[in-house]
This record gives sequence, structure tokens and C-alpha cells, in this order.
Amino acid sequence: QVRLKESGPRLVQPSQTLSVTCTVSGFSVTSYHVSWVRQPPGKGLEWVGAIWKGGSTDYNSALKSRLSISRDTSKNQVFLKMNSLQTDDTGTYYCAKHGNWGGYFDYWGQGVMVTVSS
Amino acid sequence: DVVMTQTPVSLSVSLGGQVSISCRSSQSLVHNNGNTYLSWYLQKPGQSPQLLIYKVSNRFSGISDRFSGSGSGTDFTLKISRVEPDDLGVYYCGQGTQYPYTFGAGTKLELK
Repeated sequence: QVRLKESGPRLVQPSQTLSVTCTVSGFSVTSYHVSWVRQPPGKGLEWVGAIWKGGSTDYNSALKSRLSISRDTSKNQVFLKMNSLQTDDTGTYYCAKHGNWGGYFDYWGQGVMVTVSS
Repeated sequence: DVVMTQTPVSLSVSLGGQVSISCRSSQSLVHNNGNTYLSWYLQKPGQSPQLLIYKVSNRFSGISDRFSGSGSGTDFTLKISRVEPDDLGVYYCGQGTQYPYTFGAGTKLELK
């Protein structure tokens, strides 16, 4: 059974770094791409970036300078790091598995709600 | 970036009724490999998005045939027939043809 679960801090201070972990089961991160998608409260979805099954990454150009996505294949985990957080980074951060044909997301984690506030 | 425009913003429907949601992209979603990466998601209240349709018209595993997707190029439609209570929520279209992947702003389906 495919599962993804995000874990990380619920509260981050402005200008600090957000670190979120996505722990997956039911598939290997070396066999499927994994993306991060975020959603501000009451708003729509924004693709943050992806780590491809081969280990390379792509980031949303609007966030690229602040982003890092990596993985630990031995633990089947994917990591999101975003620095210089501001209040408009507040929202739910989801990790999502890509489907067999790439450009869509067939399984999503429950998400972690992150509030950026002092 | 590819802009995804969804209409309408909200829909009211009676149980058992039929609705259509439109999604238009600012650029063609036909990939160099010939595939069109247009997908539809439903986000029920308090839940994560769930995949309904991928590559324009393919229903994801376990998705009812009451959901159907169609379209090509830049114009796409999701149809829901015989609406049930569990269908209520916000529907998003998304494109995975060009980076960055982008989503429509959503269409909220409510009961009339």
C-alpha cells in the first residue's frame, strides 16, 4: 500500500529555515519521482519542486533560490528545505508521488501545516 | 509559466445531477513525447487532494466512471454525472507538461 507522510515543525520564525521530511512506504523513491506541493490557507496548490527517481531535482523558479530537495534512499525519505521563510510561506506542505507516466501525482501525503510567525 | 484557468469558480448541483468544469491552459499541453499531461484532482474538506483523472481522460484506480475527462491542446473538461454527496469539494486541474507544474485556482462543488 502506497503511503506518504510528512513530518516537520508546525511553527517557524520569519527568516528561519523550514525542514520537512516525507517518509514513504509501498514504493521506492529510486523507482518513482516525488514532488512537494504547498497550499496557503484557503488557497490553491503550488508546485514547489521535485526529486526525480534518478536523484536529480527541479525547482519552481519562483522559489529556487531558497530551496533544496534531497533524499535518503536507505530510509526511503525525501527532504524539503526552504530558507529565509516569510509569512506568505505559511501553508500546508504536501509530498506527492508521481504517477507511472510522470507529469501528475497519484498519491499524496496528509500534509503538514506550517505557520511562519514570530 | 503555464497559466491554468478554471471555470466556473463554484458550482451548485442537486444530488443525481450532472456538472462540467472547464480548464484552459495558456499554452498547449502536448509534450514533446506526444503525451498531454493534464490531470484532475478533488480535494474534499480537510483532506489532501486525490487524483481523479490523468493524461486528459484516464481514470485513476478506483475512480468511478461517473467521472470523465476530455479535451486536447489547451481546452479540457471534467464531467461528473449522477453527483453523489461524496463528490463535494474543490476540483483542481493541473498540468505536468512544462516546468513549473501548475494548477488551476479550483472549482468548488456544492449542493444546491
